[in-house]
Amino acid sequence: AQKITQTQPGMFVQEKEAVTLDCTYDTSDPSYGLFWYKQPSSGEMIFLIYQGSYDQQNATEGRYSLNFQKARKSANLVISASQLGDSAMYFCAMSPSNNAGNMLTFGGGTRLMVKP
Amino acid sequence: KAGVTQTPRYLIKTRGQQVTLSCSPISGHRSVSWYQQTPGQGLQFLFEYFSETQRNKGNFPGRFSGRQFSNSRSEMNVSTLELGDSALYLCASSWGTGDYGYTFGSGTRLTVV
Repeated sequence: AQKITQTQPGMFVQEKEAVTLDCTYDTSDPSYGLFWYKQPSSGEMIFLIYQGSYDQQNATEGRYSLNFQKARKSANLVISASQLGDSAMYFCAMSPSNNAGNMLTFGGGTRLMVKP
Repeated sequence: KAGVTQTPRYLIKTRGQQVTLSCSPISGHRSVSWYQQTPGQGLQFLFEYFSETQRNKGNFPGRFSGRQFSNSRSEMNVSTLELGDSALYLCASSWGTGDYGYTFGSGTRLTVV
């Protein structure tokens, strides 16, 4: 079974500053994928970034980067230069190995609030 | 390209009724997964359909069922609704196995009264 833990229920960050959202995971799968999604108050899940378990380099997508530490089983999201529009719920998620199908296990989420 | 379309956006049903939700995936996507989001339980995987076959199932009672049509559109059905079924139901589509390009719809918010 896979498990995702997000220990920060809510966080504040000043506009234009960087922020790190924590995510730890547990799995017995040798191969897996890690995701971060943003969910604004409207409800849709917006894909931010993906990291494969065998990827050698940390993933980056614009202002988003994923700090992947496999030995520690952590996949923290770093948002640089926060913007007011970044205020939302953020979910860390995991998918099983490539042949197991498309199903995600989500963490409990972190509510990020960006202060002007 | 068109995104994942879920209908209806909002729904109010009475306890004991049944409900059907629809999800139209991105053109060419063959996998559709369904998730339930509640304040208490968070986001939970319901089931996944791939090429009209249920490939994976989460830990939900048999009142929750689904199907997928030949055009990859998927429906989920909840029978004998309970108050606890009130939730945001999200579907996600992807091209196939191991494809990390999941795209979510905007969800259907179901309220059971």
